Amino acid sequence: QKEVEQNSGPLSVPEGAIASLNCTYSDRVSQSFFWYRQYSGKSPELIMSIYSNGDKEDGRFTAQLNKASQYVSLLIRDSQPSDSATYLCAVNIGSSNTGKLIFGQGTTLQVKP
Amino acid sequence: GAVVSQHPSWVICKSGTSVKIECRSLDFQATTMFWYRQFPKQSLMLMATSNEGSKATYEQGVEKDKFLINHASLTLSTLTVTSAHPEDSSFYICSARDLKELHTDTQYFGPGTRLTVL
Repeated sequence: QKEVEQNSGPLSVPEGAIASLNCTYSDRVSQSFFWYRQYSGKSPELIMSIYSNGDKEDGRFTAQLNKASQYVSLLIRDSQPSDSATYLCAVNIGSSNTGKLIFGQGTTLQVKP
Repeated sequence: GAVVSQHPSWVICKSGTSVKIECRSLDFQATTMFWYRQFPKQSLMLMATSNEGSKATYEQGVEKDKFLINHASLTLSTLTVTSAHPEDSSFYICSARDLKELHTDTQYFGPGTRLTVL
């Protein structure tokens, strides 16, 4: 059973701090990794994708990937109350070419003013 | 770019009726669309993969005769919940892959449809 694991939280950080969200996955051959943000009652929106080991930065967001450890993370710098949401980690099913993704259960982030 | 719409955004129906949900890619072509279901406080559960011009592929445990999927064009997929019951009440979300981005696995999500079956 291919799995994606996230700590459900809630993760609470003060405004302006760095929020660190973590995700592990079980399928060693996975190649595509995504972070989605989901506000309550809304559908997920894509924040970042990462395919290679190392860091990828986009504005206040940095995704980090370590395939050897099967670990992907998302750092949010200068956290804002508007960042309060559930963050979903998604990983492709590496052994297929269907484009299917497996989602973690999500980590709820609370940014306190 | 990469906008996906869903219609309706919410629907309330009586038990035993059928409900059709549309998913459209507005500014790109999508050979593949996915249908998810999300219950409160839970993550997205993939129901089926919808491929243009062919039969949908259903995930284990999803009844294909209850959840009818049609993907008749490169911009439209429909999900019909047949003989809906209260336990089918959920948030149904579709996503689509851009034909020009098949080298990635990026999925763009629609806004979702909230179904309530009385």
